[in-house]
Amino acid sequence: EAAVTQSPRNKVAVTGGKVTLSCNQTNNHNNMYWYRQDTGHGLRLIHYSYGAGSTEKGDIPDGYKASRPSQENFSLILELATPSQTSVYFCASGGGGEQYFGPGTRLTVL
Amino acid sequence: AQSVTQPDARVTVSEGASLQLRCKYSYSGTPYLFWYVQYPRQGLQLLLKYYSGDPVVQGVNGFEAEFSKSNSSFHLRKASVHWSDSAVYFCVLSGNNNAGAKLTFGGGTRLTVRP
Repeated sequence: EAAVTQSPRNKVAVTGGKVTLSCNQTNNHNNMYWYRQDTGHGLRLIHYSYGAGSTEKGDIPDGYKASRPSQENFSLILELATPSQTSVYFCASGGGGEQYFGPGTRLTVL
Repeated sequence: AQSVTQPDARVTVSEGASLQLRCKYSYSGTPYLFWYVQYPRQGLQLLLKYYSGDPVVQGVNGFEAEFSKSNSSFHLRKASVHWSDSAVYFCVLSGNNNAGAKLTFGGGTRLTVRP
C-alpha cells in the first residue's frame, strides 16, 4: 500500500529560526507536493517536484524553499520562520488528482 | 483560473440519515473532480474520482457523487451515514490527469454524525 511519512509530527520553532520538514514516500512516484492547511483555506500548494533534483513553485511559495535529493525524499525548508507560518503541513506523492498524503506536521512558530 | 466552492462549512446529520455535501466548481475546460476525506489527525484519503463518462461515480464506504456540467457541480451523497463518517470532506478540482497536475481544493465541509 502507498505510504507517505512525515517528520517531525509536531514542531515548535522560534521566530527567525530555521525549520526543516521532511517527507519520505515508498510509492516510487515521480511527483511530490507540499501543502499547508489553514482554517477556511483548504489546502494550498507551496512547492512540488517532478523528480529527484527538481523543485517547482506552487501557489504560495514565499518564505519557503524545497529540496528533492532523491526519488523518495522531499523536504520543505523555512530559512527564517515567522508566526504566520504556523500551520499544518502535508506532504503528498502521486500524479493528477490521485495523491497520497502523509499524516501532517503541526508547526507552531512562537 | 479555477476554483472550488463548498458552501456548507459544517453539516450535522443523525446516524442512518441520508447525506448530501455540495460542491460547485469553476473551470473553463474539462474538469477532473475528486472527493477526499480527512479523519481527525490524519492526512487526506481519496474517496472517489470523476474523469469522464457516467456522471454518477461510486466510491468507498457507500459514497457516490454526481457530476453536472450544466450546474458546474459535483455533489457527494450517501444513503445512510454512520457515526464513523464524521470527518472533513474536500472537493478537489484538477485541470488534467497528467503527472504534475496541480489540485485546487474547496474549503472543506466538516460532517458530524449524531448517534
